[in-house]
Amino acid sequence: DVKVTQSSRYLVKRTGEKVFLECVQDMDHENMFWYRQDPGLGLRLIYFSYDVKMKEKGDIPEGYSVSREKKERFSLILESASTNQTSMYLCASSLSRGRRSNQPQHFGDGTRLSIL
Amino acid sequence: SQELEQSPQSLIVQEGKNLTINCTSSKTLYGLYWYKQKYGEGLIFLMMLQKGGEEKSHEKITAKLDEKKQQSSLHITASQPSHAGIYLCGADPSSGSARQLTFGSGTQLTVLP
Repeated sequence: DVKVTQSSRYLVKRTGEKVFLECVQDMDHENMFWYRQDPGLGLRLIYFSYDVKMKEKGDIPEGYSVSREKKERFSLILESASTNQTSMYLCASSLSRGRRSNQPQHFGDGTRLSIL
Repeated sequence: SQELEQSPQSLIVQEGKNLTINCTSSKTLYGLYWYKQKYGEGLIFLMMLQKGGEEKSHEKITAKLDEKKQQSSLHITASQPSHAGIYLCGADPSSGSARQLTFGSGTQLTVLP
């Protein structure tokens, strides 16, 4: 089974802090994703990566950055946390078998982040 | 951009009853994924549909993709409290990309014992 592990289930930080959310997958997946999930807004894609050191902006990248130094690890960084970044953050990964092949994304358990 | 509309937004059923959740796309679906999420947790992958008319089943859950590939339904037979949660559909936005998914807003299912 695919295992996507997020470093924390719950996290509380203060406004202005630099926050790191870590995600590790153990299935040698090429693609990795970061989403945030908010009531009434659903899942929104922040950033994704389809290879080591590659990253692409999703729908809401402002205020975030990412790092993919190793294939199995994808980090989300909040450069200067703000209260409007309080949310549930979900990491996902998927296998890439050619550009026309559909593969499901597999999700971690999520990190509920509160910014005070 | 592709939008996915799910209906109903919420559903309360008595244990043992059948139910259907729908997912409608504004564009052709090149891959349709169903997920289940328990409150405060991650998404669990249920099924993937790719071909028009395709139908898949897992235990008491059946998912179908219509021939035109613009609508999918998820049907639960003889619902149980363990089926409770949020069901989300996700779709590939284009035929050439297997990376990004667009998600519906979810259907909250409550099963009363």
